[in-house]
Amino acid sequence: NAGVTQTPKFQVLKTGQSMTLQCAQDMNHEYMSWYRQDPGMGLRLIHYSVGAGITDQGEVPNGYNVSRSTTEDFPLRLLSAAPSQTSVYFCASSRDRGYGYTFGSGTRLTVV
Amino acid sequence: EDQVTQSPEALRLQEGESSSLNCSYTVSGLRGLFWYRQDPGKGPEFLFTLYSAGEEKEKERLKATLTKKESFLHITAPKPEDSATYLCAVQAGYTGNQFYFGTGTSLTVIP
Repeated sequence: NAGVTQTPKFQVLKTGQSMTLQCAQDMNHEYMSWYRQDPGMGLRLIHYSVGAGITDQGEVPNGYNVSRSTTEDFPLRLLSAAPSQTSVYFCASSRDRGYGYTFGSGTRLTVV
Repeated sequence: EDQVTQSPEALRLQEGESSSLNCSYTVSGLRGLFWYRQDPGKGPEFLFTLYSAGEEKEKERLKATLTKKESFLHITAPKPEDSATYLCAVQAGYTGNQFYFGTGTSLTVIP
């Protein structure tokens, strides 16, 4: 019962580098999303997907891309990392948008 | 502007001392209100969903209630293992794809 698996757990990037945060779930959930968590600001929605092949923007999408080629996987790509993207990133999934999320354990990203 | 506000920011309780956490919201078209628990260094863990005013949900020492403007998470006779940050989130908007989280209440239960 793996749930939602995120890799890596920690990452340090230099400004301008690109990388992909991986997210996989084994619960056959249709709804997946990416959040960032910053001190004093709460979790903010970056992108979400309501099923394979369908993605849309959340509250803070700039600088991030997503794709959803399978039900299981929902990677988040940082195109050109900036210090403002230093944060903890969480991937989450649910059977439908009206149900509670199952969250991954997070990726702590530092951009220097 | 859609907004979710949690209070207090931090709460220290003696073991067995009951209290309530508050989540007030101003959103267009509330679809649901969610409570999560988050332990340090981990992802949030789902607790409850409330869909309409007057609804209540219970789980062990926790009870969540919902009105038209706010939700309360009541903690009865808390234990040290209840120490965590409790997050409130609302689902809103025409499509129901907008989710807004509060900044959380950090609860410490002292033995």
